[in-house]
Amino acid sequence: DIQMTQSPSSLSASVGDRVTITCRASQGIRNNLGWYQQKPGTAPKRLIYAASSLQSGVPSRFSGSGSGTEFTLTISSLQPEDFATYYCLHHNTYPPAFGPGTKVDIK
Amino acid sequence: QVQLVESGGGVVQPGRSLKLSCGASGFTFSSFAIHWVRQAPGKGLEWVTVISHDGNKKHYADSVKGRFTISRDNSKNTVYLQMTSLRPEDTAMYYCARSTSGSPEYWGQGALVTVSS
Repeated sequence: DIQMTQSPSSLSASVGDRVTITCRASQGIRNNLGWYQQKPGTAPKRLIYAASSLQSGVPSRFSGSGSGTEFTLTISSLQPEDFATYYCLHHNTYPPAFGPGTKVDIK
Repeated sequence: QVQLVESGGGVVQPGRSLKLSCGASGFTFSSFAIHWVRQAPGKGLEWVTVISHDGNKKHYADSVKGRFTISRDNSKNTVYLQMTSLRPEDTAMYYCARSTSGSPEYWGQGALVTVSS
């Protein structure tokens, strides 16, 4: 099975900061990766699919890149509503697997 | 608009069974695969299972294989998750989600399952 890791596991940032989260796969997954945002008590929300495609309705400050084994989610200018936990998910083969998550909180 | 609503959660004793339902509306249900994803209290997301649009293909996480069964009734726009031999470690919020471009896109609000004596 393919394992996913994320770094960092948590970070503290200020409004307006540029934030980058990295996700790594234990083997190549082409571009079969999505990024999700989850706020406490709510269901996850997909931000990015196919590694770099922005989900409809998601602000353009979110972007994704990468292919193969290394991927990044970038928030170009952090907004108050962006404080949340972020997960990557590979769906290249079964079983799909989520990364352990990156919690973004206020500095 | 796309809507998914989970039901059937509750408190159940270890070793017992429980069946979750996921009702869908706002889209052509029979055209989309449906996933179940769970989240234990205070933990991360864990993919559980998926069923193809026509019900012919199913995949499971190793942690639930042989104990959980996914099924669907396209005439009722509903997916089911039959959970047997439940363990305390199955305690979680269970989300169903519609698959688009291979990954969960639209999610329900979740159903809480607590396995405890």
